[in-house]
Amino acid sequence: NAGVTQTPKFQVLKTGQSMTLQCAQDMNHNSMYWYRQDPGMGLRLIYYSASEGTTDKGEVPNGYNVSRLNKREFSLRLESAAPSQTSVYFCASSSSETGINYEQYFGPGTRLTVT
Amino acid sequence: AQSVTQLGSHVSVSEGALVLLRCNYSSSVPPYLFWYVQYPNQGLQLLLKYTSAATLVKGINGFEAEFKKSETSFHLTKPSAHMSDAAEYFCAVSDKTSYDKVIFGPGTSLSVIP
Repeated sequence: NAGVTQTPKFQVLKTGQSMTLQCAQDMNHNSMYWYRQDPGMGLRLIYYSASEGTTDKGEVPNGYNVSRLNKREFSLRLESAAPSQTSVYFCASSSSETGINYEQYFGPGTRLTVT
Repeated sequence: AQSVTQLGSHVSVSEGALVLLRCNYSSSVPPYLFWYVQYPNQGLQLLLKYTSAATLVKGINGFEAEFKKSETSFHLTKPSAHMSDAAEYFCAVSDKTSYDKVIFGPGTSLSVIP
C-alpha cells in the first residue's frame, strides 16, 4: 500500500514550457486534490475532484488544468509555466464513504522551479 | 466563508517544555477541525481531528487539542516537547456541507531547543 504517489519529485522549467504533474492513490478514495504550498501562505487549493469524471476549481486555478483520468489518478498540467508558479505542489486524496472520515492523505510533493 | 488563523508563524520551546500552538477558525456551520504536521521535505500527515464527538481530542505523538466553540478555537498542546517535534504545523477546517473543501491555516513552524 503506497498511499499517494507523485512524480516527478523535482522539476526545473523555463518560462513558457509545459509539463504535467502526475498523482496516483491506491486507497480507493473518491476525492483527490491539488495544492500549492508557498512560504507563509499555507496550502492553497488549485483544483479538486470529488469523484471520477468531475473536477472543480479551487482558490488558485489560473494557469493550471487537471484531468481525473480514473479513480486512481489525478494529473495537474501547466500549459505555459511562469515564475509565479514556482512552488511545492502536493496531491492529496480523501474518502467520504464512512461519512466522517474527511482526513486527507498527502503525497510527498513536487518541487517546481520556473526560471 | 470559512477561515483559519494561526497565531505565531514561528514558535520556539525548550526540550521538555509545554508546546502550545494556537488556532482560531471561523465557520457559519459546525466545523470539522484538523491539525496536520509536516516534517522537512515531506508531505502533510494528520495529527488529530475533531468531528463533533468529544471536545478534547487526542492524537499521535502525545499531542492533543481542545475544541472550544465559545472561543472558536482549536489549540494544539503537548505537555513535554521532544526534539523530534520540530516541524511545521497546520490547522485546517472543513464543514459538513462542503467536506471536500478544507481550508488550511498559514502554518506555525515549531523549533525545539536542546
